[in-house]
Amino acid sequence: DGGITQSPKYLFRKEGQNVTLSCEQNLNHDAMYWYRQDPGQGLRLIYYSQIVNDFQKGDIAEGYSVSREKKESFPLTVTSAQKNPTAFYLCASKRTSGRSPYNEQFFGPGTRLTVL
Amino acid sequence: GQNIDQPTEMTATEGAIVQINCTYQTSGFNGLFWYQQHAGEAPTFLSYNVLDGLEEKGRFSSFLSRSKGYSYLLLKELQMKDSASYLCAVPNNYGQNFVFGPGTRLSVLP
Repeated sequence: DGGITQSPKYLFRKEGQNVTLSCEQNLNHDAMYWYRQDPGQGLRLIYYSQIVNDFQKGDIAEGYSVSREKKESFPLTVTSAQKNPTAFYLCASKRTSGRSPYNEQFFGPGTRLTVL
Repeated sequence: GQNIDQPTEMTATEGAIVQINCTYQTSGFNGLFWYQQHAGEAPTFLSYNVLDGLEEKGRFSSFLSRSKGYSYLLLKELQMKDSASYLCAVPNNYGQNFVFGPGTRLSVLP
């Protein structure tokens, strides 16, 4: 079955440590995205990538970094510079070709990061 | 830039009909998406509207008025499992990314 996987589901880290969140997709989608969601709020875009080896900052990129070395993978690193990293992180992917350029995004199950 | 507004919370009774509104302001319009998100889970796609009017998909329908910058999601014959957050989103940068509204948390009561 095709889909998006994120691991782990729950992650705990001490303050001051960097942590990398995994996102893998086997949907053959070109575009991938990282969002942050805080309790009772909508999704805020951290980074996105339209093709391999290229990515752009979203609205809240400070304190985060990404890489896109493979089409299937788009890991997100939460650095110690991120002031309030505790949140629910969602990865998504989207087809960029086909009938419409405005195809829907498919989301992974999310990683809930808690920084102690 | 983009600005999207939705009511924060709504409550309805099982079997009833509920309308969830979304208003948006965009520099260019390329359609509007609705997603459903159960607590602690990933959002799932419900609908995409790019032309004015109502699109029906079973118990869920979505309406768009481009001149008014307004959309709504209509849920009929509400079931307990419809308790979730409903997010509207608009594409940005020629569809390269999306701007999401704050979401409406719907509680369906017995």
